[in-house]
Amino acid sequence: GAGVSQSPSNKVTEKGKDVELRCDPISGHTALYWYRQSLGQGLEFLIYFQGNSAPDKSGLPSDRFSAERTGGSVSTLTIQRTQQEDSAVYLCASSHGDTQYFGPGTRLTVL
Amino acid sequence: EDQVTQSPEALRLQEGESSSLNCSYTVSGLRGLFWYRQDPGKGPEFLFTLYSAGEEKEKERLKATLTKKESFLHITAPKPEDSATYLCAVQGLSSARQLTFGSGTQLTVLP
Repeated sequence: GAGVSQSPSNKVTEKGKDVELRCDPISGHTALYWYRQSLGQGLEFLIYFQGNSAPDKSGLPSDRFSAERTGGSVSTLTIQRTQQEDSAVYLCASSHGDTQYFGPGTRLTVL
Repeated sequence: EDQVTQSPEALRLQEGESSSLNCSYTVSGLRGLFWYRQDPGKGPEFLFTLYSAGEEKEKERLKATLTKKESFLHITAPKPEDSATYLCAVQGLSSARQLTFGSGTQLTVLP
């Protein structure tokens, strides 16, 4: 079956521009997560959506980061006024129980 | 705060040379411990979930074990295609559902 998909696979942007990253979870999965993976660091939790509940935003590093999930399915992570330190691979995962299944990620490069 | 430490950071093995990867963790109540495999340029691929001390899971040449303080991923007679970064993560009872990851062990199996 189809796994988690993310788009774009690569994004190059200039410092100060806004970017939007998209995640399509596995059909039927109620939970959706965003993580960030930077060079030399492990995966870092950003935000978690569960059904129609308010999202857990405790991992967002600044107010330049936001995310939404429409219709309990597709999610968009938005980074405003990008900075060079935002360069990383952004990974999305979805789950129905405890196990999280990851997408291929979006590699973001901020010049 | 949940913490995960993986060792070694990198491991080179000859094909057929068995070894173990270590994952030490501290968590305020363990909901689950997860092992993932990550190939370059791809998202983490789920391998195992362990829930309680003494539990073991096996898949092909891999076996994961769990104690109250650490988990081991045993690799028996590895092949070059087992080369990847192996990630360990914990899900604590107090951390909603997000995973806390270690930095990974980069495994290279030489033919």
